Amino acid sequence: DIHMTQNPVSLSAFIGDKVTITCRASQDISRYLGWYQQKQGQSPKFLMYYASNLLSGVPSRFSGSGSGTEYSLTITGIQPEDAATYFCQQCYSYPRTFGGGTKLELK
Amino acid sequence: QVQLRESGPGLVQPSETLSLTCTVSGFSLTSYGVNWVRQPPGKCLEWMGVIWGDGSTAYNSLLKSRLSISRDTSKSQVFLKMNSLQTEDTAIYFCAREWDYGGYSGNFDYWGQGVMVTVSS
Repeated sequence: DIHMTQNPVSLSAFIGDKVTITCRASQDISRYLGWYQQKQGQSPKFLMYYASNLLSGVPSRFSGSGSGTEYSLTITGIQPEDAATYFCQQCYSYPRTFGGGTKLELK
Repeated sequence: QVQLRESGPGLVQPSETLSLTCTVSGFSLTSYGVNWVRQPPGKCLEWMGVIWGDGSTAYNSLLKSRLSISRDTSKSQVFLKMNSLQTEDTAIYFCAREWDYGGYSGNFDYWGQGVMVTVSS
């Protein structure tokens, strides 16, 4: 199974800040990676596929990058509605596996 | 619009079988895969398995011996059955549609609201 390691586990930021969340795979996943946002008490929302492709309707302040085993999600100019937990998920092989999540809190 | 809705018992006795239903609308089960994903309280997401548009299935090897996913296309419903439940199976259970775009697939674009299942006597 491919293990996904996310860092940091939690972070705190001010409105307008730029933050980066990293996701490391235990083997090369060739950009077969998605990112999700989950707000408290809600189901995850699909943000991005193939490491850097935003879904329609996702604000452009979200961006993704990476290759091989190292990937990142960046939010540039954080807004109040971005407070949530973010998960990465590989779809390179079965079983699909998720990162442990990064909780973003606003100061 | 695309919607998925899970239903099932909130409480299951240890060693019993869990049966959940995912009722979908806005898309055809013969065209999209539907996955089951669970999330223990305060923990991360765990992929359980998928039933694809052609009716074939794949399961997480950790659960494969206890898990079965099936469907009724006429009712737009997908079913999860998992036996020998233990307390560690307590979780929110989600069904989610498989994103399929230009040959890229395997992420999940629409999710149900989830159903909380507690395993306890």
